[in-house]
Amino acid sequence: QKEVEQNSGPLSVPEGAIASLNCTYSDRVSQSFFWYRQYSGKSPELIMSIYSNGDKEDGRFTAQLNKASQYVSLLIRDSQPSDSATYLCAVSRWGKFQFGAGTQVVVTP
Amino acid sequence: GAGVSQTPSNKVTEKGKYVELRCDPISGHTALYWYRQSLGQGPEFLIYFQGTGAADDSGLPNDRFFAVRPEGSVSTLKIQRTERGDSAVYLCASSQTGTVNTGELFFGEGSRLTVL
Repeated sequence: QKEVEQNSGPLSVPEGAIASLNCTYSDRVSQSFFWYRQYSGKSPELIMSIYSNGDKEDGRFTAQLNKASQYVSLLIRDSQPSDSATYLCAVSRWGKFQFGAGTQVVVTP
Repeated sequence: GAGVSQTPSNKVTEKGKYVELRCDPISGHTALYWYRQSLGQGPEFLIYFQGTGAADDSGLPNDRFFAVRPEGSVSTLKIQRTERGDSAVYLCASSQTGTVNTGELFFGEGSRLTVL
């Protein structure tokens, strides 16, 4: 079992719609949770971090964390073509970050 | 520099050769990370340093891989007797804290290693 699991996609989303990405993790004592965006041929960049159960909103992005279910999600509202990228879920424990394989999102005009 | 700097950006080598990849983190960042990313995969953890010491090296695949950070700043990832399966993009990242309440990882542009 991988430590961080994501659907690989691609997830095709019409422009203006909501993209919903999911992530599960296996280490119950994980402490911090992150979503990174990676454009093709580029390095990952942080878009959201979440540390406690519940929702966290930042602009068009909302992260949700449920530690009991070991589940993290990311919603992208009003999806734009510039959101087309691979989204990586990352989980950290004692400073060690583990990444999922990523979900490719394709926003279609 | 302003960001994480990695050199070389591209390295082509022959099977069996020795390779060094360098990472210069953001000034003042105490934590430094090495990841390996293959096409279509997420970054695979290799090792992370807190200061000069390796806080966790559990991701190094075998004893051909070694990393150092002698002065707590620049780090070098060393790969001996390279194999074709070592071909990947090697990503370096740094962070201001690297502690329990971890902050953002800032990534370099990566070093693409191709082993022929």
